[in-house]
Amino acid sequence: AQKVTQAQTEISVVEKEDVTLDCVYETRDTTYYLFWYKQPPSGELVFLIRRNSFDEQNEISGRYSWNFQKSTSSFNFTITASQVVDSAVYFCALKDGTSYGKLTFGQGTILTVHP
Amino acid sequence: GAGVSQSPSNKVTEKGKDVELRCDPISGHTALYWYRQSLGQGLEFLIYFQGNSAPDKSGLPSDRFSAERTGGSVSTLTIQRTQQEDSAVYLCASSSGGQASEAFFGQGTRLTVV
Repeated sequence: AQKVTQAQTEISVVEKEDVTLDCVYETRDTTYYLFWYKQPPSGELVFLIRRNSFDEQNEISGRYSWNFQKSTSSFNFTITASQVVDSAVYFCALKDGTSYGKLTFGQGTILTVHP
Repeated sequence: GAGVSQSPSNKVTEKGKDVELRCDPISGHTALYWYRQSLGQGLEFLIYFQGNSAPDKSGLPSDRFSAERTGGSVSTLTIQRTQQEDSAVYLCASSSGGQASEAFFGQGTRLTVV
C-alpha cells in the first residue's frame, strides 16, 4: 500500500528565513511519481512539481528547491528566503503503479511566514 | 474551459437531504478525481475515473455516496441522506491521464449540512 507522511503539522518562520518541509513516502513499486502542491488561503490547490522515481536529481526553481532521496524515501521541499506570500498549506503526494492514477496525499504542513 | 470548474461554490443543506456536486474537467483530460477535505484535515480520496475504465470507488465512505461521469467529461458526485459529518470541501481534479501527469484542481464546493 502507498502512504505519504508529512510529520510537520505546522511550521512558523519569520520572513527571509529558510524552511524545509519534510515528506516521507512508502510504496512497493519501483516506478512511482511524487508531487508537491500548495494550497493558499484561497483554497485552490496549485501544482508545484513532479518527480519520477528514476530521476534523483534535485531541482531548483527560484526560491524553491526539492531534494529527492530514494535511500530514505524522502522528497523534501525547501523555501529559501521565505516570504509572507509563501504562507499556505503544502501537500506532498504519491502516485504509483498499483493504484494507477490515484494520488495519495500526505496530511499537509501549514506554513506561516510572519513579516 | 481553462481550468477545472466546480459548482456550486457553496452549498448549505439540511440533514437528510440529497445533494449533487458538479465538476467540469479541463477539456481533453481523461482522468477525473474527487477528494474530500474536512476542516483542518488532509485530502481524502473518494473516487477516480480514467477514460472508459471502471472507476476506482475504493475511497467512497459509504453507500450514500456515488459518482458518475457522463460522456467522459462532466462528473456529478451525489450524497444521499446527508449527515453532519459530510460537511467538508469537496475537490475535483482532472489530468491528462498518463501515470506521470499532474492533477489540476478546481476551487472546490464547500458543503455544510445543518
